[in-house]
Amino acid sequence: DTAVSQTPKYLVTQMGNDKSIKCEQNLGHDTMYWYKQDSKKFLKIMFSYNNKELIINETVPNRFSPKSPDKAHLNLHINSLELGDSAVYFCASSPTLGTDTQYFGPGTRLTVL
Amino acid sequence: DAKTTQPPSMDCAEGRAANLPCNHSTISGNEYVYWYRQIHSQGPQYIIHGLKNNETNEMASLIITEDRKSSTLILPHATLRDTAVYYCIVRVWPGANNLFFGTGTRLTVIP
Repeated sequence: DTAVSQTPKYLVTQMGNDKSIKCEQNLGHDTMYWYKQDSKKFLKIMFSYNNKELIINETVPNRFSPKSPDKAHLNLHINSLELGDSAVYFCASSPTLGTDTQYFGPGTRLTVL
Repeated sequence: DAKTTQPPSMDCAEGRAANLPCNHSTISGNEYVYWYRQIHSQGPQYIIHGLKNNETNEMASLIITEDRKSSTLILPHATLRDTAVYYCIVRVWPGANNLFFGTGTRLTVIP
């Protein structure tokens, strides 16, 4: 069973469109995250949720809106997609806030044309 | 903000020990050293972490110098599947959960 799963794995879309990436973890963790990995392979935190509540919101355009319907899911919705949004987006989870180990999903490669 | 310095790339012969260095000269007393790796097209994978004592688990060993300004990750018997980018991260724990990944070291295990 996949611990942290993301859908879709690949997403190709036009500028200006709105898209969503879904993330689910079956580990029973309280905390979930979204990271962005750009073309230079830098991996940067975007958001952190603990028990469905936003904990960390780094400097991310407000076109990006995370939604956590329950603590097993953290979806990322992106409005008005731009070329610079092209990247690989990783979801991760950890047992609790402040826990050392984060478990990452396989990533979603977003390409904006 | 990456607070670590790692060589951009290293090679290691299959079956030999891979020693990956990391400098963290500005590490503070409550910061831990973490290692993650990312195999091509996969998400990062936790390897090991430590504060000041050397640590060992089923994947690797972590050697931290006495002054804590540098550390070495050791993969005792590297296999081809260990080819990946290895990230050394320092962070406060417990504390903020965000991990700051720098450029890492691309380890290539050669047959």
